[in-house]
Amino acid sequence: EPEVTQTPSHQVTQMGQEVILRCVPISNHLYFYWYRQILGQKVEFLVSFYNNEISEKSEIFDDQFSVERPDGSNFTLKIRSTKLEDSAMYFCASSEAPRRSPLHFGNGTRLTVT
Amino acid sequence: DAKTTQPNSMESNEEEPVHLPCNHSTISGTDYIHWYRQLPSQGPEYVIHGLTSNVNNRMASLAIAEDRKSSTLILHRATLRDAAVYYCILRISGTYKYIFGTGTRLKVLA
Repeated sequence: EPEVTQTPSHQVTQMGQEVILRCVPISNHLYFYWYRQILGQKVEFLVSFYNNEISEKSEIFDDQFSVERPDGSNFTLKIRSTKLEDSAMYFCASSEAPRRSPLHFGNGTRLTVT
Repeated sequence: DAKTTQPNSMESNEEEPVHLPCNHSTISGTDYIHWYRQLPSQGPEYVIHGLTSNVNNRMASLAIAEDRKSSTLILHRATLRDAAVYYCILRISGTYKYIFGTGTRLKVLA
């Protein structure tokens, strides 16, 4: 069964550094998402992406965050200057058609900012 | 916003059925009800979704009330591997956005 893959599984970075989290969505999916989960808290929506542009973003997704689909297969989340509070699990998801089709999630990247 | 309400936690004995309720009184007429679960240290996993009529798949069944203001996820025989947080979520109308609540933490007792 096709799946969403995320790399790396764990990323450690120093405060102020840039990080790029990578995702390969399921190949025929058209809608892409990033969510994050701070340890012990609920899964939070960050951004949705369709047709090469952001559809919606949350208040968390400020100017330090950006997303890109650089080559038609990868979907990336960049954090420009990481803060301690960015430490969390970041989940990528994709969907064929979000109203009637489910989201398929990857297993996440654990980001630790020191 | 399309808000859902679920109990914080439930317990079940192994090999017994489990009924996980969800209220979604503000659901719009065209929105599907989605259920996901999150096992420890994993990403959310799709369980089932439906629009109006009851749905079955290899993982679970979904019973949807006639007025669509509530639904129930049914695990027919709970196993220890079903211990997880179960989320009932809706799409925010007019968007592609799904918002997770706090879900129901299911504990399965051996």
